[in-house]
Amino acid sequence: NAGVTQTPKFQVLKTGQSMTLQCAQDMNHNSMYWYRQDPGMGLRLIYYSASEGTTDKGEVPNGYNVSRLNKREFSLRLESAAPSQTSVYFCASSELGGSLEQYFGPGTRLTVT
Amino acid sequence: EDQVTQSPEALRLQEGESSSLNCSYTVSGLRGLFWYRQDPGKGPEFLFTLYSAGEEKEKERLKATLTKKESFLHITAPKPEDSATYLCAVQANTGNQFYFGTGTSLTVIP
Repeated sequence: NAGVTQTPKFQVLKTGQSMTLQCAQDMNHNSMYWYRQDPGMGLRLIYYSASEGTTDKGEVPNGYNVSRLNKREFSLRLESAAPSQTSVYFCASSELGGSLEQYFGPGTRLTVT
Repeated sequence: EDQVTQSPEALRLQEGESSSLNCSYTVSGLRGLFWYRQDPGKGPEFLFTLYSAGEEKEKERLKATLTKKESFLHITAPKPEDSATYLCAVQANTGNQFYFGTGTSLTVIP
């Protein structure tokens, strides 16, 4: 039982490059989330998916897109990376409706130069 | 606007010196308040969920309490392995989003 897994763990991009961050969970959770964590800013929600087939914007969605591929997988795409997107990205999952606690992955540390 | 404020930003304790961390929140209607522990380079790890004022939960040296405006994480006789950043989050009953505070960085000195 791996919980929430994320790939890659580290990534360096040049400005304008694109990439997709992958997330998978094996807890049969319905809801999945993408956050970014920056020093002094705390965790900020980028996008979330309350259930398979739905996605919604969070607090900081600009510059990102998401895909809920199936119940297990939720990917985050940067179409044209910018230095402001340098951050640590966390994926999380929770039960339907998000009324219970979230479980987080180990994070992806992204640097955009 | 839903908001979470944690204090202090950083706390240094001697081993065995008990203290409390504070989480103040403003939310239209509280569905749940959550405490997490985060170690350097890792994802947050769930500790507690509190749902209503007056509720308390305990786990080893940690005890979380909740009022209508704030939550406290009490640490009794801390050990060096309790050193971490402690995060507080709230979820409103009007949606699925969680709002996080910026955390309290706790250092316990042997």
